[in-house]
Amino acid sequence: QSALTQPASVSGSPGQSITISCTGTSSDIGGHNYVSWYQQHPGKAPKLMIYDVSKRPSGVSNRFSGSKSGNTASLTISGLQPEDEADYYCSSYTSNGALVFGGGTELTVL
Amino acid sequence: QVQLQESGPGLVKPSQTLSLTCTVSGDSISSGTYYWTWIRQLPGKGLEWIGYIYYNGRTYYNPSLKSRVTILVDTSKNQFSLNLSSVTAADTAVYFCARDRDGYGGFDYWGQGTLVTVSS
Repeated sequence: QSALTQPASVSGSPGQSITISCTGTSSDIGGHNYVSWYQQHPGKAPKLMIYDVSKRPSGVSNRFSGSKSGNTASLTISGLQPEDEADYYCSSYTSNGALVFGGGTELTVL
Repeated sequence: QVQLQESGPGLVKPSQTLSLTCTVSGDSISSGTYYWTWIRQLPGKGLEWIGYIYYNGRTYYNPSLKSRVTILVDTSKNQFSLNLSSVTAADTAVYFCARDRDGYGGFDYWGQGTLVTVSS
């Protein structure tokens, strides 16, 4: 299965809101409500930020929110903070039972 | 606190088999609640899901790697392992083990990752 499509980079200033998109197909994002988002700082393991499209694990700031429309999922970060600067990856369950990731988006906090 | 730790050789020769073990602490694989997963990250690139194993040995692999991948579980040691055969330089990556909440993604705990280089 092909990787999900994410923008290579996004940027924003402290306090602003940004949205990262993740586009798939009807066989993955569009067909299932199993989209997750991960934050990865350099040299670290990814951290789960959102699962099941819009659910936040315990301990994750409510500044992070997820949504989905058709074949595209989105991660929104509000009140941008310097520590939010990281790579972000989406993932989705697929109709053949496998999991697929997006190519990643580098977030720069200006 | 749940912790996962990868272990294994950092260097593997081409055509040989890459073997890694993930040791789980703070949770019991035998609980049957979670799916135990391998994920890799190619140098400078994104993440790739390799596959998972359930406590009873049921597995599911990435179709693109299925012919070369075997994931096994040892509940007595609370470990699961990855074997990737016939490796090439393209398999050089950081390999992570992770816990999947329900088999649909949602990897809530990760190991720190281990770099495996394929080179002669």
